[in-house]
Amino acid sequence: GQNIDQPTEMTATEGAIVQINCTYQTSGFNGLFWYQQHAGEAPTFLSYNVLDGLEEKGRFSSFLSRSKGYSYLLLKELQMKDSASYLCAASRYALNFGKGTSLLVTP
Amino acid sequence: DVKVTQSSRYLVKRTGEKVFLECVQDMDHENMFWYRQDPGLGLRLIYFSYDVKMKEKGDIPEGYSVSREKKERFSLILESASTNQTSMYLCASSTRQGALRQPQHFGDGTRLSIL
Repeated sequence: GQNIDQPTEMTATEGAIVQINCTYQTSGFNGLFWYQQHAGEAPTFLSYNVLDGLEEKGRFSSFLSRSKGYSYLLLKELQMKDSASYLCAASRYALNFGKGTSLLVTP
Repeated sequence: DVKVTQSSRYLVKRTGEKVFLECVQDMDHENMFWYRQDPGLGLRLIYFSYDVKMKEKGDIPEGYSVSREKKERFSLILESASTNQTSMYLCASSTRQGALRQPQHFGDGTRLSIL
């Protein structure tokens, strides 16, 4: 079966660090994607993890633990433009998306 | 840059109509996908295709069909539109190289209203 859980909403302050967690139970799991989606726009690819550990890409990092069925997206030095929805997706024959975490960055 | 183009940004149709949503990608991608996105439900996969004339059901195929006659084009068809099909529809594509490890690239979406 497929089940992806992530928090519905989060709020953080400009300049701070925020961690968005994602847990999954996906049969035939092949990897974990993170996407960013601004209101009214298409999702855009942020990161992909297939092996356990941390992948760093500028201000954004993503972590995966396959044994725990757990991932997180870490956003550093938050900027106002980071206010968006962040989608966790487990890869099987296609992508199985979570419902998204709406992040609000405040001044 | 990959370009995935959906034919309409906004569309209004009536109950019972046959509705076509078109999607074209310009990167010679083998894989194409149709999702719908609803508040509180997230992105849900309707159909996908790994090659021309191939189609596979996703998680919510009921009430929909698809057509992939050319590699660059993937059409979603609502056979007889109903009000519960009012939604944002998103098309995506990805390359087959590396199989399931390649990111999907999304179009801007079609906001479809069924009256």
